[in-house]
Amino acid sequence: SAVISQKPSRDICQRGTSLTIQCQVDSQVTMMFWYRQQPGQSLTLIATANQGSEATYESGFVIDKFPISRPNLTFSTLTVSNMSPEDSSIYLCSATSRPTEAFFGQGTRLTVV
Amino acid sequence: AQSVTQPDIHITVSEGASLELRCNYSYGATPYLFWYVQSPGQGLQLLLKYFSGDTLVQGIKGFEAEFKRSQSSFNLRKPSVHWSDAAEYFCAVAPNQAGTALIFGKGTTLSVSS
Repeated sequence: SAVISQKPSRDICQRGTSLTIQCQVDSQVTMMFWYRQQPGQSLTLIATANQGSEATYESGFVIDKFPISRPNLTFSTLTVSNMSPEDSSIYLCSATSRPTEAFFGQGTRLTVV
Repeated sequence: AQSVTQPDIHITVSEGASLELRCNYSYGATPYLFWYVQSPGQGLQLLLKYFSGDTLVQGIKGFEAEFKRSQSSFNLRKPSVHWSDAAEYFCAVAPNQAGTALIFGKGTTLSVSS
């Protein structure tokens, strides 16, 4: 199994600022994903982080708001830009090498004030 | 498009009683199926998964789930619930191909009464 370290675990940010969330996997994985979990809601896929190329975003999410990097097979970052209170959510990193093995980080609980 | 339905938003079960959480999926072929648990303030923990073979799968913490193709269901069960099982439970599916993300249901909140 893979262990995913995600940081920060939580943060309180001022509106209009940006926060970068880091995701480190302890082994090489094929795919990395970023999800958002709004309060009381399920997980929604933001994007697939592609190694060495631009991320693939789901409908409703754009690169300007959620820029993603993945410089190698074990590390990715998600930035939440120009934050508003509506961005208050838990953001989760996920990694998989096969469809049958999907691992998740502990999540970053973001509060925007 | 693939989708996952968890019909029960909130379930309360007495400690020691049995539990069944429902999950239905919509997908043309047999997808990979998962159940995750999320305790308050925690990340997601995989309880069990199904992708082929025996339709009754055993997971951690005494949980099991049964895949029923005819009903497009993958219900989670536990014969005797413990207070520590109180958490949010998510059913998820992934198309049976590499490189795809999971699609999650809306989750079921389990409360355990004493």
